Amino acid sequence: AQKVTQAQTEISVVEKEDVTLDCVYETRDTTYYLFWYKQPPSGELVFLIRRNSFDEQNEISGRYSWNFQKSTSSFNFTITASQVVDSAVYFCALSGENTGFQKLVFGTGTRLLVSP
Amino acid sequence: ETGVTQTPRHLVMGMTNKKSLKCEQHLGHNAMYWYKQSAKKPLELMFVYSLEERVENNSVPSRFSPECPNSSHLFLHLHTLQPEDSALYLCASSHDLESVFGYTFGSGTRLTVV
Repeated sequence: AQKVTQAQTEISVVEKEDVTLDCVYETRDTTYYLFWYKQPPSGELVFLIRRNSFDEQNEISGRYSWNFQKSTSSFNFTITASQVVDSAVYFCALSGENTGFQKLVFGTGTRLLVSP
Repeated sequence: ETGVTQTPRHLVMGMTNKKSLKCEQHLGHNAMYWYKQSAKKPLELMFVYSLEERVENNSVPSRFSPECPNSSHLFLHLHTLQPEDSALYLCASSHDLESVFGYTFGSGTRLTVV
């Protein structure tokens, strides 16, 4: 079975602080994909990143960075110098070859509150 | 318009009402999805359509009835709902079922059943 755990329900930081959102996953698939989505108050989920199971290179995109570690089954997301506009719910998700790549399994999300 | 558009944004309905949620995408995608987002629970996949054919029905009660008349439109027909069906219903699309780039989501319909 596939499972995604986001243990942090809510995180509050002050603007310009760095913050890391944790994601731990479980899968028996050899080939799988991990995703992060952002859900602002408007409701739509915004795609942030996709990473496949064979690529453990960390990725940086502006203030965002992702740390994929297969040894600990984690795919953590760090926001550097957070801004108020980063306030949202962030979801980690997983899809795998055996259940079908079209079926994303989501975590319960982490609500990030960035105050001025 | 671009992206995935859902209407209405908010809906309040009684348990005996019949209503429909609409989803429209202008991305040229061939697969469309309905997800349910309840408070403090992971997003739940409800239905998957590929080229207007339903390929997944994730043990959803029959009071939810999807319809996909073409690859750009997806409906969710609702009847005799229960209060526990109150949730945010999200529509999504992807290029095809094997798309590993994830989905493009709409803004959702916030449904309240009274």
